Amino acid sequence: QKEVEQNSGPLSVPEGAIASLNCTYSDRGSQSFFWYRQYSGKSPELIMSIYSNGDKEDGRFTAQLNKASQYVSLLIRDSQPSDSATYLCAVTPGGTSYGKLTFGQGTILTVHP
Amino acid sequence: GAVVSQHPSRVICKSGTSVKIECRSLDFQATTMFWYRQFPKQSLMLMATSNEGSKATYEQGVEKDKFLINHASLTLSTLTVTSAHPEDSSFYICSATGTGQGVDNQPQHFGDGTRLSIL
Repeated sequence: QKEVEQNSGPLSVPEGAIASLNCTYSDRGSQSFFWYRQYSGKSPELIMSIYSNGDKEDGRFTAQLNKASQYVSLLIRDSQPSDSATYLCAVTPGGTSYGKLTFGQGTILTVHP
Repeated sequence: GAVVSQHPSRVICKSGTSVKIECRSLDFQATTMFWYRQFPKQSLMLMATSNEGSKATYEQGVEKDKFLINHASLTLSTLTVTSAHPEDSSFYICSATGTGQGVDNQPQHFGDGTRLSIL
């Protein structure tokens, strides 16, 4: 079982729709959760961080965390073609990790006009 | 804030050459820097964790004599690929986290990456 799992997709949504990206993790002690966006040929950029159960909203992005279910998701409202990218879920392992992250394999999102 | 600069962005060189990649945190002090490599259509693979003033910690399967890491200051880490061969061609990306309390909760901020092509 992979430590951080994401559906590799591709996930295709029409412009203006809500894109829902999901991630599960195996380490129950994990405390910090991040979503990164990576355009083709570019490095990842941080979109959201979430540390406690519930929802966290930032503009068109909402991160949701459920530690009991070991599940974290990212919702993108009013999806735009410019949102087309690979979305990486990243988790800080339990214990002292000194910032080390475990990444999922990424979900490819395509937003079509 | 939290800008990480990586240089060079692209390197093309002959087999057997050693290549140095620099990673700098521009507006914060980075206690820890990380080096990744990424092959096409794959996720990031952590190579090593670099802490200022101490030896880097390499992930299993990564040759420390092949990939030399130096983290001499709180704003600079370097990765040297020694005697590079075509199989070392990849996208190398550094990231950094800041100092202070709660380092485990701090996100990593990534440089723009270095695309290394060995002929």
